[in-house]
Amino acid sequence: GAVVSQHPSWVICKSGTSVKIECRSLDFQATTMFWYRQFPKQSLMLMATSNEGSKATYEQGVEKDKFLINHASLTLSTLTVTSAHPEDSSFYICSARDLRLGSTDTQYFGPGTRLTVL
Amino acid sequence: GESVGLHLPTLSVQEGDNSIINCAYSNSASDYFIWYKQESGKGPQFIIDIRSNMDKRQGQRVTVLLNKTVKHLSLQIAATQPGDSAVYFCAENAGGTSYGKLTFGQGTILTVHP
Repeated sequence: GAVVSQHPSWVICKSGTSVKIECRSLDFQATTMFWYRQFPKQSLMLMATSNEGSKATYEQGVEKDKFLINHASLTLSTLTVTSAHPEDSSFYICSARDLRLGSTDTQYFGPGTRLTVL
Repeated sequence: GESVGLHLPTLSVQEGDNSIINCAYSNSASDYFIWYKQESGKGPQFIIDIRSNMDKRQGQRVTVLLNKTVKHLSLQIAATQPGDSAVYFCAENAGGTSYGKLTFGQGTILTVHP
């Protein structure tokens, strides 16, 4: 149980285009999902916290108009990178919290999405 | 802060040895800590967690030790296997208004030689 999927697993796009990444909790309901970005050889950096039915909370320095987050259901959150540029190329990872389990603090991570902007 | 060009700490061990990976955290208000394993091109995989009211917790082949006095966390892997080769991250949850938000450490590359 507690499986999180992401789609696509990788995407290549041209500069200026927008890319949508989906994060799904497959076998549990997640009221909260988190979006992270990871550059090569670096750690995960939290971008935003996505709460079902409400606006996302962005970390300092993350442009909310560039990284649009929607969490319309308890099993799906989406991250849209708008007007992507080469510097947005990164590994984007989502995580979700499973409220069924006794430990509500545990976050389960998706497999990540590799974005390359040409 | 920015860490371009930063080389992750590395640990090389022989198969069958015990491994100890260390992590220093900065927020004394953190009350929940997790160790994750990340293989190349994949998302982090939960290994073990510990709350601040504990100083030791054991899992299958893994033990996490927490020293709140010096804000130090360690992960011990017994009888390390080649499949344990990965990057290991510690993460902390500050609680309070930051409840649920994880701050990740820089990571340690573990290489297990057969």
